[in-house]
Amino acid sequence: SQQGEEDPQALSIQEGENATMNCSYKTSINNLQWYRQNSGRGLVHLILIRSNEREKHSGRLRVTLDTSKKSSSLLITASRAADTASYFCATHPALGGGADGLTFGKGTHLIIQP
Amino acid sequence: DTAVSQTPKYLVTQMGNDKSIKCEQNLGHDTMYWYKQDSKKFLKIMFSYNNKELIINETVPNRFSPKSPDKAHLNLHINSLELGDSAVYFCASSLALAGQETQYFGPGTRLLVL
Repeated sequence: SQQGEEDPQALSIQEGENATMNCSYKTSINNLQWYRQNSGRGLVHLILIRSNEREKHSGRLRVTLDTSKKSSSLLITASRAADTASYFCATHPALGGGADGLTFGKGTHLIIQP
Repeated sequence: DTAVSQTPKYLVTQMGNDKSIKCEQNLGHDTMYWYKQDSKKFLKIMFSYNNKELIINETVPNRFSPKSPDKAHLNLHINSLELGDSAVYFCASSLALAGQETQYFGPGTRLLVL
């Protein structure tokens, strides 16, 4: 079954506003990562937060992790048109087994209106 | 310099054919992966490969076979292509196994099976 699920599926905001995306997952994790995918392109890593961390910042990005609720949020402040993309959360399970890759959600499609 | 590269970028072929997708990383990473992204943008791990150890996602048909001539390359060979194989295939690499590290993705290969 799908591990990460992003919410909302799509989000449209005005340039300059803040965008918040949420991710929920089901099993215990080692870490949670956020990736961005521009239309027709590959994925770009944004930020990694480990299971023992609660918050992490990188430029205009702020990620929180609540392992008790099995959820994470990605906040993009002062959004720009160039932030228009799909955003995916991806988890690495704490327990092994299966191909040792990340489990991705379906993504949130973010549109920044100029 | 391109970190993770894939060829070809686009691949259109007939059902029943055999095709290969190549992947190369110049990051000196030990682990490489193949992911499949379907038409709904859902990304799923297919294989991970580390130090000649291949870990296969059990849901991947055996028509798919990864081949690694050396640490920097992980090619994907697909036999007897089916319509449902149409998707975008992403190669990725990371410094170490176990998903503790950031994964770096290639630009993707868009496969269309007619």
